[in-house]
Amino acid sequence: DIQMTQSPSSLSASAGDRVTITCRASQGITSDLGWYQQKPGKAPKRLIFAASSLQSGVPSRFSGSGSGTEYTLTITSLQPEDFATYYCLQYNTYPWTFGQGTKVELK
Amino acid sequence: QVQLVQSGAEVKKPGASVKVSCKASGYIFTTYAMHWVRQAPGQRPEWMGWINADNGNTKYSQKFQGRVTFTRDTSASTAHMELSSLRSEDTAVYYCARGRDSSGVFGYWGQGTLVTVSS
Repeated sequence: DIQMTQSPSSLSASAGDRVTITCRASQGITSDLGWYQQKPGKAPKRLIFAASSLQSGVPSRFSGSGSGTEYTLTITSLQPEDFATYYCLQYNTYPWTFGQGTKVELK
Repeated sequence: QVQLVQSGAEVKKPGASVKVSCKASGYIFTTYAMHWVRQAPGQRPEWMGWINADNGNTKYSQKFQGRVTFTRDTSASTAHMELSSLRSEDTAVYYCARGRDSSGVFGYWGQGTLVTVSS
């Protein structure tokens, strides 16, 4: 199975901060990677697909980048509604696997 | 608008089976695969597999092979997930999620169904 190692596991930030989350795959996944936001008690919500494409309706402060085995989600100017847990998902090889999550908390 | 509405919470004893339903609306059901993802308390989501809503073909994660069965009823635009031989570690929220579209995967999710396995 492809292991997705996400870092950090948690971070504290203030509104307006820039936040970067990284996912490293145990083997190349050719940009078959998505980023999802999850709030407590809710289903995940797709933010980014194909590593760097922004889901329609998602604010432009969210962006994704990367290739090969290393991928990044960046949130510029963190907003109050962005405090949540973020997961990466590789859908290149079965079984599809998620990163362990990054909880973004208010400092 | 696309909606996936799942059946309600379940409490089961170890060794029993559970069947969760996912009713789709707002799109042609047979056009997209339906995936199942579960999330144990405080854990990352875990992909279980998918069913081709058109022809019924399935792909299961090896972890669940032999214990999980996906079916669908095209007349009701509903997908089902049945998990057998339940154990306490199967306590989780189970989600259905629509498969690949022009914007990647899992663009639409059900609201989740909590399955609690307890004696």
